[in-house]
Amino acid sequence: NAGVTQTPKFRVLKTGQSMTLLCAQDMNHEYMYWYRQDPGMGLRLIHYSVGEGTTAKGEVPDGYNVSRLKKQNFLLGLESAAPSQTSVYFCASSGRDSGANVLTFGAGSRLTVL
Amino acid sequence: GDSVTQMEGPVTLSEEAFLTINCTYTATGYPSLFWYVQYPGEGLQLLLKATKADDKGSNKGFEATYRKETTSFHLEKGSVQVSDSAVYFCALSINAGGTSYGKLTFGQGTILTVHP
Repeated sequence: NAGVTQTPKFRVLKTGQSMTLLCAQDMNHEYMYWYRQDPGMGLRLIHYSVGEGTTAKGEVPDGYNVSRLKKQNFLLGLESAAPSQTSVYFCASSGRDSGANVLTFGAGSRLTVL
Repeated sequence: GDSVTQMEGPVTLSEEAFLTINCTYTATGYPSLFWYVQYPGEGLQLLLKATKADDKGSNKGFEATYRKETTSFHLEKGSVQVSDSAVYFCALSINAGGTSYGKLTFGQGTILTVHP
C-alpha cells in the first residue's frame, strides 16, 4: 500500500523555468492538499482540492497553479519559478470515511530555484 | 486568523528524560487539535489528536490534553528514547460552514534530539 507518492523527490530549477510536481494517492481519498515547508515557519497550505475537478486557494497560493483531473492525482505547477519558491513541498490527502482532518503525507519534494 | 504557537527549539534530552513540548492556539471556531511527527527524510505522520475539550490523545507513550480554558495542547512523554528524535508539529483544523474537509494550520515545529 503506497499511500501518497510524490515525484520528483528533488529538482533544481533556474529562475523563470517551469515545472510540475505530481502527487498520487491510492487510498480513494476525496481531499488533497499541497503544503510548503520552510525553516522556522512550519507548513503552509498552498492549494487544496475537495474533489475531482475542483481546486481552491490556501494560505500562500501566489505563483502556483494546481489541477485535479483524476481523483487520485493532484498536480502542482510553477509557471515561472522564483528563488522564493525554494522549499520542500508536501502533498497530503484525507478521506471522508477515515477522518477528513487526519492527513496522510507524502515524503516530500525538495525544490531549489537558482 | 487561526494560529498555532509552539515552544522554541531545539530541545535536547538524554534518554529516559521527561519531555514537554508546549503548544497554544488561537482559533475563531472550535478546533480539532493534532500532533504530527516528522522523522528525518520522511513526511509528517499523525501522532495523536483530540477533537473536544478535555479529550486526551495518546499514542506510543506520548500524551496531550485539549485544554480549552488555556487554549493549549501540550505534548508529553514520560521517558523518551533515541528513536523519538524528530520534528514535532502541533496543528489545528476547523470545520468551516459544515464542510468536513480538513485544512490544517501548523505551528513552526520543534526539533527534538535525544542522546543515549
